Amino acid sequence: AQSVSQHNHHVILSEAASLELGCNYSYGGTVNLFWYVQYPGQHLQLLLKYFSGDPLVKGIKGFEAEFIKSKFSFNLRKPSVQWSDTAEYFCAVNALTGGFKTIFGAGTRLFVKA
Amino acid sequence: DAGVIQSPRHEVTEMGQEVTLRCKPISGHNSLFWYRQTMMRGLELLIYFNNNVPIDDSGMPEDRFSAKMPNASFSTLKIQPSEPRDSAVYFCASSLGTGVNEQFFGPGTRLTVL
Repeated sequence: AQSVSQHNHHVILSEAASLELGCNYSYGGTVNLFWYVQYPGQHLQLLLKYFSGDPLVKGIKGFEAEFIKSKFSFNLRKPSVQWSDTAEYFCAVNALTGGFKTIFGAGTRLFVKA
Repeated sequence: DAGVIQSPRHEVTEMGQEVTLRCKPISGHNSLFWYRQTMMRGLELLIYFNNNVPIDDSGMPEDRFSAKMPNASFSTLKIQPSEPRDSAVYFCASSLGTGVNEQFFGPGTRLTVL
């Protein structure tokens, strides 16, 4: 079955630390990849997306993600986190093989200490 | 644009009662999704519609749950009868196209079943 795995359920960082959140998927073929963020008490909103082209995607608020097809990965990165980045981060994938049904990962809760 | 609108924002009800959640997608979007979010199970896709037609309802937990989309600007998710284990935040999201594109989430309805 198609699935999306996020390696860390909880991450705690100090401000200015670098962030990398892992995401792996099990789809074959062409995929569309997303990272969403959910700030405390709010709804999910898109951080960035990859459909095609440059595998290094830049999103809002200084986030970026790299699509590595050979590793079925789409890891999210930020060189220097801020307290305001405290949120839950969801990786999501859809693909032709899945009927373009978007599957979300379980989420990673990030807490940034001021 | 007002974004995806959901009502009510909070609902507290007693076990056995009928609950109806409402969603108005972004104008022009032709895909609509209902999700449930809990601490234990994370974000689960319940059902999604394309052009008002249910495409995949495999995530609907059981017959107590039903969803309708009578027109392009309105959808309902009904639980009858409700049970305490249905307590969760229910999100509605919409997107352009067949669901390949990014999804825009509503603010959610926090349901508590006593």
